[in-house]
Amino acid sequence: EVQLVESGGGLVKPGGSLRLSCAASGFTFSDAWMSWVRQAPGKGLEWVGRIKSRVDGGTTDYAAPVKGRFTISRTDSDDTLYLQMNSLKNEDTGVYYCTTDHSDRYALGNWGQGTLVTVSS
Amino acid sequence: DIQMTQSPSTLSASVGDRVTITCRASQSISNWLAWYQQKPGKAPKLLIYKASRVESGVPSRFSGSGSGTEFTLTISSLQPDDFATYYCQQYNSYWYTFGQGTTLEIK
Repeated sequence: EVQLVESGGGLVKPGGSLRLSCAASGFTFSDAWMSWVRQAPGKGLEWVGRIKSRVDGGTTDYAAPVKGRFTISRTDSDDTLYLQMNSLKNEDTGVYYCTTDHSDRYALGNWGQGTLVTVSS
Repeated sequence: DIQMTQSPSTLSASVGDRVTITCRASQSISNWLAWYQQKPGKAPKLLIYKASRVESGVPSRFSGSGSGTEFTLTISSLQPDDFATYYCQQYNSYWYTFGQGTTLEIK
């Protein structure tokens, strides 16, 4: 069974940094593309970015609102995905989901339970 | 950027009804369109990918259609478990964008 478990959320001041982790199990993590998606309180879904598998180049893509501030990385030996968030703004507040990103379907197949990030002074 | 517009924003229906939700893209996305269901406090769940392919384990009452710029999600006979918010999502070039969501309420 695929499991994705996010951690690292919390309260941070504007301008601060936070690193989220996502522990993966139940599938071959090293072969998987992975994405982060966020959801502001009471709002819709917003894709944050993705990292491809090492065999597909391990490259990253980001949504415009986070490009240059957020960095996605992975440690395949630990089956772990990361989201480093710098220069945080109030509008980055929300639940952050780790997802599998199916490269043959361009759809997000498996989701974690999410971790809440609150940016507030 | 490609914009995705869902309609309606809210839909009231009864158990057993057939319902359709529409998603329009601001430019052609071929068939790179997915649909998700989200219940309050839960993560979204993939229902449909490539516009019309039903994800494994999803009940057969869910179906998708469309290509280019107009897409639909149809639930053939609403069940109590189907009352939730539905999102479409497109892929173009490097990134994904979601529609604003359609909340399906019990009439």
